[in-house]
Amino acid sequence: QVQLVESGGGLVKPGGSLRLSCAASGFTFSGYYMSWIRQAPGKGLEWVSYISASGSYTNSVDSVKGRFTISRDNAKNSLYLQMNSLRAEDTAVYYCAGIMESTTHFHYWGQGTPVTVSS
Amino acid sequence: QSALTQPASVSGSPGQSITISCTGTSSDVGAYDYVSWYQQYPGKAPKLMIYDVTTRPSGVSNRFSGSKSGNTASLTISGLQPEDEADYYCSSYTSSNWVFGGGTKLTVL
Repeated sequence: QVQLVESGGGLVKPGGSLRLSCAASGFTFSGYYMSWIRQAPGKGLEWVSYISASGSYTNSVDSVKGRFTISRDNAKNSLYLQMNSLRAEDTAVYYCAGIMESTTHFHYWGQGTPVTVSS
Repeated sequence: QSALTQPASVSGSPGQSITISCTGTSSDVGAYDYVSWYQQYPGKAPKLMIYDVTTRPSGVSNRFSGSKSGNTASLTISGLQPEDEADYYCSSYTSSNWVFGGGTKLTVL
């Protein structure tokens, strides 16, 4: 069955860095666009970043541009989010989500990994 | 990119129907038929319930339906059941960006 398993979250100080990973299985990873979506404690969902199926195109929400980098390794069926210059407002559960190619909805979701930015 | 506007909460009794609205702008909800809806239980990952405004994924009950008029999309749940109590989020795609609504807590009385 389809699985997206995030890892790499944790506690980090403001200004620090973290690299999140998302391991995919049960579907043709290379045929899916992928995204990271976050949810701050007690708040709603916020789209963070997107990468095309080949990895050639990415886009991010303005608040993380220049600080977060999304990437993927189709040979390893893995998605990544490199997060630098972290701020308290980046504290959230980070979900990876799969978008079937040529569609625009988040079809598959992982269970999320929590990130806490605090001194 | 501003969040889409949803009511913070709605409620209904078992067997009734409820509708959750999702208001955006002519640049997102009004511009594309790419509105999707997600159900989320506390502490769990969201689940896709409706995509492309009106389409239900395989396995989603036909009690869930979607529609759109102008800049406002809507999710209707008919024949409310206790297990429908959850948070619901709308989302709209626009030019490699996505925007979510603030979420609506559905209480089944």
